This record gives sequence, structure tokens and C-alpha cells, in this order.
Amino acid sequence: SQQGEEDPQALSIQEGENATMNCSYKTSINNLQWYRQNSGRGLVHLILIRSNEREKHSGRLRVTLDTSKKSSSLLITASRAADTASYFCATDESGGSNYKLTFGKGTLLTVNP
Amino acid sequence: GEEVAQTPKHLVRGEGQKAKLYCAPIKGHSYVFWYQQVLKNEFKFLISFQNENVFDETGMPKERFSAKCLPNSPCSLEIQATKLEDSAVYFCASSQSSGSGRAERFFGPGTRLTVL
Repeated sequence: SQQGEEDPQALSIQEGENATMNCSYKTSINNLQWYRQNSGRGLVHLILIRSNEREKHSGRLRVTLDTSKKSSSLLITASRAADTASYFCATDESGGSNYKLTFGKGTLLTVNP
Repeated sequence: GEEVAQTPKHLVRGEGQKAKLYCAPIKGHSYVFWYQQVLKNEFKFLISFQNENVFDETGMPKERFSAKCLPNSPCSLEIQATKLEDSAVYFCASSQSSGSGRAERFFGPGTRLTVL
């Protein structure tokens, strides 16, 4: 399986609810990043968490990182219809070139009004 | 500029034809990356540059793909003799040269390549 696998593959919730997406990876990392892709558009960087950090917040986003389990979660609180998009985690692997930024397959989030 | 620019937005080629895609990174960014996204799924890393030098090309198909980043010119990704499986959206990204800023990639809107 791929480095950076998101779970679930698709998530549908009502506006105002919280959305949680998970990501697992295989190798040692320097950092883990979450990106959003609106349909037909490029990726937008949301948040970066370094390997020595456990939790990070940015507005309605909360990211956790557990390096012992090689997993991360992205929580979007009080979701809005505009949050509808695909969300990808991506890892900068430690050692050697850390410029590859390996992506997972993404979680498609649908927020219903 | 303040955004990564990619041209063209759409490109249609017959199988066997050449395709050339362009990317202008954000001014001041030293690193450029190319990714391929097939069917809205995962992003496959192709190649990265540090200024005009290839930094990592481990994702590039050896035979038909080539890329350049020359001074004072947009970066380019060229596919010789396109195949049906090359149909995808190709994204370019750039990042800053030092400090924590180099970790965040700024992505362009992509070029959709359709091979018929």
C-alpha cells in the first residue's frame, strides 16, 4: 500500500458537524502535511506538523501526529459546505532527499447544507 | 508572481504525439516539483529541481519524459510519443529555498492532458 493512506476514502456529514480524517504512513518522516483539493483545482496547503510535534491547530483545523503509530488525523470542526473537497496527507520522508512529498489517495469530504 | 502558473490548462494529443507543459514558479522560490494525478487519485511525484538543476528525478519514466528549468524561462515537462496512460492532470509546485518555508509546496492549477 501507499505511503500516506487516508481513511476513510469518503465522508459525508451535515453542516456544523465535525469531520475527522486519518492518515497512516510507513517510513520515518521529517513532517506531515495536509492539503485540500477542490474539484478541478490544484492543491492548497492547510497545515504542516513536524515529527517532534504531537498536535497543531489552525483556525477550525486540528492535526495530531503519532510517530509511534505512524499516523495522523485531521479534524475539521463546525464544518461548512465550503469545506467540501478532497483532503490529502503528504509526508516529507527523513533521510536522503526530503523533497519528494509523498501523497496518499485522499479522503473525499462532502458537507451537506 | 505570487502564484504558480501553469499553461496550457488543457492539452489534447493523439497517441504518439509530443506534449509540452509549462510552469512558472512563484518568484523567489528555488524548488520546483512536478506531480501527475490520474483520475483524481493519488499524486505521483515525477521530478524536482533546485533552480535549474535536477534535484530528484526518481519518479520520472525514463524513456519518454523529460523536464527542464532554465534561467529566465518557465520550467517545462515534455512527453515524447504520448501514450493513453499519460492522460492525467500534471501539477507543478514550488517552494522556498530555506528554513521551514521550503517544506510547504505551493501548487499551480494543473494542466489536464488527454491522450486520444
